[in-house]
Amino acid sequence: DVVMTQTPLSSPVTLGQPASISCRSSQSLVHSDGNTYLSWLQQRPGQPPRLLIYKISNRFSGVPDRFSGSGAGTDFTLKISRVEAEDVGVYYCMQATQFPRTFGQGTKVEIK
Amino acid sequence: EVQLVESGGGLVQPGGSLRLSCEASGFSFSSTWMHWVRQVPGKGLVWVALIKSDGTTIYADSVRGRFTISRDNAKNTLHLQMNSLRAEDTAVYHCARDWFHAIDYWGQGTLVTVSS
Repeated sequence: DVVMTQTPLSSPVTLGQPASISCRSSQSLVHSDGNTYLSWLQQRPGQPPRLLIYKISNRFSGVPDRFSGSGAGTDFTLKISRVEAEDVGVYYCMQATQFPRTFGQGTKVEIK
Repeated sequence: EVQLVESGGGLVQPGGSLRLSCEASGFSFSSTWMHWVRQVPGKGLVWVALIKSDGTTIYADSVRGRFTISRDNAKNTLHLQMNSLRAEDTAVYHCARDWFHAIDYWGQGTLVTVSS
C-alpha cells in the first residue's frame, strides 16, 4: 500500500497569515496514464470531507483561490495564502493512483 | 445538486451483520464510480471499498471477504453489506462519489458501533 505522510500534524496559524502542509508518498504517484492523482480534502468540525484540490494543483469548483497545491512524484504541498476563520479544520491528502486508496493522517489547522 | 444520504447504521454485536445504504441524487449515478470510506470519530479517513460503473468491485484488505459493496442503479442506491463485524469496524461510514480519481462529494455518514 502507498503510505501517505503529512507534516505537520498540527498547525496553529494567525488569521491572515499563510499556512503550508506537506504530504509525502512512499511511492511515486505518477499513474501509467501520465497523471498524478493526488488530492487534498478539508474536513471542518462536524462536517464530511470536502474536495479542495485534485491532480496536485487543480482547484475544485467553488474553492477560494487562496488554496493552492503543488508538487510532483512523491512530494506535495497544500498552501493557504491567508488563513481565514472558516479554514479551521483537518486537511487530508489522498492518493488515487493505486488501490487501496490511502489518506494522510490529517493536519489540524487552528487559529492561534 | 449532488446529494448522498446514508442510512442503516446502528449498534451490532461482534460477529453480527449490518447493511448500509446510500441514496444518491443530482447526478448520473449509474455511470459513476462510488466509494465507502470510514472514519473513527476523531480519527482519520480509511478507504473501504469501490464499485465501478460496470459493477467491478475493489476492497481494502481489512474488509475483503466480510464486506460486499453493491449498487442498484434503478434506485440510485449504493449498499454495503457488512458481515462478521468486529470491534475495529466501529466507525462512521461515508459513501462518496468518485470524480476522475478524486472523491468530490461525501455523505454525512452513518455510525456503526460493534459492541457487546
